[in-house]
This record gives sequence, C-alpha cells and structure tokens, in this order.
Amino acid sequence: EIVMTQSPATLSVSPGERATLSCRASQSVSSNLAWYQQKPGQAPRLLIYGASTRATGIPVRFSGSGSGTEFTLTISSLQSEDFAVYYCQQYNNWPPWTFGQGTKVEIK
Amino acid sequence: QVQLVESGGGVVQPGRSLRLSCAAAGFSFSTYDMHWVRQAPGKGLEWVTVISYDGRNKYYADSVMGRFTVSRDNSKNTLYLQMNSLRPEDTAVYYCAKQFAVTPHFDYWGQGTLVTVSS
Repeated sequence: EIVMTQSPATLSVSPGERATLSCRASQSVSSNLAWYQQKPGQAPRLLIYGASTRATGIPVRFSGSGSGTEFTLTISSLQSEDFAVYYCQQYNNWPPWTFGQGTKVEIK
Repeated sequence: QVQLVESGGGVVQPGRSLRLSCAAAGFSFSTYDMHWVRQAPGKGLEWVTVISYDGRNKYYADSVMGRFTVSRDNSKNTLYLQMNSLRPEDTAVYYCAKQFAVTPHFDYWGQGTLVTVSS
C-alpha cells in the first residue's frame, strides 16, 4: 500500500497571500495524483488531477506540480472561501486508493 | 448536472447490519465505476470499496473485507453498500463517489450519510 504524507498539518495564511501545501508518496505514483478541498460539513471537491490539471470550474489561482513522490498544491492568492482542509490522493497503485491525512489552511 | 445522494445512515448497535444507498443522476451511471469513501469524525478520508461499471469487479479495503458488500442496480441508477458485523470503528460519514472516465480519481462526490455504531 502506498502511504501519502502531507505537510504541514496546519498552515496559517493571511488572505491574499500564497499557500504552498506538500504531499509525499512512499513510492512513485508517476503523475497519478489528485487534490481535493473539503470545507466543514461538506463533501470533498476535486481540484486537481494528473498532478497539475485543474478540474472543471476550478479557479486559476489553484495550481499543482510534481511527479514521482513529491507534489505541491499552490494557492496563489488566498481568498476567504479557500480556507479549508486539502487532501492529496494517489491513484497509481490500487487498490487501495490512498489519501494523505490532510492539511488545514486557516486564517492567520 | 451530476448528482449523488446517499441515504440509509443512522445509529446501529455493534454487530448489527445497515444498508446504504446512493442515488445517481445527471450522467450515464451504468458506464462508470463507483466508490464508497468514509470519514470518521474529525479524521481524514478512507477509501472503502469500488465496483466496476458492470458490477463484475469489486475491491475492498482490508478494514471492511468480509463484512461489507458493494453492489449496484444500473436499472435504478443506484449504488449500495451492505454493511454487516458493524463495529464502533465503522462510525463515519460515508460518501459515494463517481470515478472519472479516463483516470481512476473521483470527480464527483455525494453529500454523505452518517453511520454511528454504538450500544
């Protein structure tokens, strides 16, 4: 099973600033990596797949990069609606599909 | 637009059973693989099971193998999760999710249904 590790657990950022979230895989997942956003009381929402492709309707301030074992989600200028928990997920070696433990982006 | 609506959650005693449903609309349900993912209170996401578009192939997480069964009725556009021998650690919000057509990530999720296993 591939283990996904996200850092940091919590990221405190001021509105308008850049946020950089990291995700590491225990072995290569190529570019088969997705990012999801989850707000309190809501279902996860797909942001990025293929490590860098934005899903339909996702603003351009969200970008993904990386391949192999190291990945980054960048939010270029945080808006109030971006404060949430973000999960990475690998879908290269399945089953199981595995998620990171999440990074909470909170208001500084 | 794609809609996934889960139902069937509730409070159940340890050792008992529960069946969840996920009603799908807005896409050709019979042509997509479907998943169940759960989230314990205050915790992260855990993949539970997947069923292929035609119901022939199924995979399960080790934590539910032998206790949970996934099925689907393509004539009713509905996904099911039969949960037997429930344990307190199965307490979670259960989401159904649609798999993307080209690569196996999840492009749409339902709003979830809460299952609480407690005596």
